[in-house]
Amino acid sequence: TQLLEQSPQFLSIQEGENLTVYCNSSSVFSSLQWYRQEPGEGPVLLVTVVTGGEVKKLKRLTFQFGDARKDSSLHITAAQPGDTGLYLCAAGGTSYGKLTFGQGTILTVHP
Amino acid sequence: GAVVSQHPSRVICKSGTSVKIECRSLDFQATTMFWYRQFPKQSLMLMATSNEGSKATYEQGVEKDKFLINHASLTLSTLTVTSAHPEDSSFYICSAGRETQYFGPGTRLLVL
Repeated sequence: TQLLEQSPQFLSIQEGENLTVYCNSSSVFSSLQWYRQEPGEGPVLLVTVVTGGEVKKLKRLTFQFGDARKDSSLHITAAQPGDTGLYLCAAGGTSYGKLTFGQGTILTVHP
Repeated sequence: GAVVSQHPSRVICKSGTSVKIECRSLDFQATTMFWYRQFPKQSLMLMATSNEGSKATYEQGVEKDKFLINHASLTLSTLTVTSAHPEDSSFYICSAGRETQYFGPGTRLLVL
């Protein structure tokens, strides 16, 4: 079973601060996804990274995939209260579409 | 993007009763759907893989007689929580898709 270690588990910051969430594994992944989930809703896909060393940007969010495709990070610049939510990294297994999720990071951005 | 719906969005039932949750892919066909369970402030835990026209594949530790899955068509999978107990109270989420998994909005189950 592929294991994804996500950290930190909780993050409470002030508006305008920067933050980074990490997702690590001892396994190599063909791709890795980042999701954001708000309370009472399903996860929404933010990005998929597939190439080692890849960097993708989504407005104030920057996603990196490690060179060895074993780890990934999510960096948010100048966080806003609207960024509050549960951030999840996920990777596919041997079964098509089957995802293993990291433990999640609960981000709270205070005005 | 693709849309996956779930019904009901929330349900309250008495202990010992059974509850059925539906997961539908609205604009694509899904031979495979996935069911997850999520406790408050925790990540998603895969329960089972729903396979159209064949038996579901359950993850280790998930009781197949407790959580019945039926995938009778290419757009519908159902999860039935049988003889529900308070410890079954949780947020149940399904997903479907091809290269990308799309998640339903979830079903909040409360067993009294």
